[in-house]
Amino acid sequence: AQSVAQPEDQVNVAEGNPLTVKCTYSVSGNPYLFWYVQYPNRGLQFLLKYITGDNLVKGSYGFEAEFNKSQTSFHLKKPSALVSDSALYFCAVRDQTGANNLFFGTGTRLTVIP
Amino acid sequence: EPEVTQTPSHQVTQMGQEVILRCVPISNHLYFYWYRQILGQKVEFLVSFYNNEISEKSEIFDDQFSVERPDGSNFTLKIRSTKLEDSAMYFCANRIGSAYQETQYFGPGTRLLVL
Repeated sequence: AQSVAQPEDQVNVAEGNPLTVKCTYSVSGNPYLFWYVQYPNRGLQFLLKYITGDNLVKGSYGFEAEFNKSQTSFHLKKPSALVSDSALYFCAVRDQTGANNLFFGTGTRLTVIP
Repeated sequence: EPEVTQTPSHQVTQMGQEVILRCVPISNHLYFYWYRQILGQKVEFLVSFYNNEISEKSEIFDDQFSVERPDGSNFTLKIRSTKLEDSAMYFCANRIGSAYQETQYFGPGTRLLVL
């Protein structure tokens, strides 16, 4: 069975500082990993994904994520946080069977402090 | 980003009533999903729909739920007799890309409140 864990419910970071939102996963087989962002009263927006290839994946709005197979992690990072990055971030893993639906983590609320 | 649209944005209904949530997918893409997010909780998979048939469903998707593609473009989720615990945000998603390279793009969601 697939699952993802986001160990932090809340992350606070000062504007301009680097940010990290953590995600660990559990899958049988090769992982297909995703990050989505949810702004208040909005839907889920795709940020980036890892399917194969380079362990460092670059995505939208300056975000990137590092796939680490030995640590089964896929942490989301940004070198310099903006106040507008404040949102709810979800890590997801794709089901390896059937319809390839996504299994989501519980989400991490990022607050960037001016 | 490709756009999936959903209507209505909000719906309030009485317990026991039927609701129909609508999704307009990205053109010419045949794989659809419905997810829900109960307030403050994680996003959960409900059902996937491919080529006018349900391909997979979760344990949440019981007999009260159904999905259709009534006119070949719109994609609907029907809840026949709503319960209080059906109150949630419902998201439609469309899958784009070839196998193993695909991405799911989500609509803005419908917030359903059952009273």
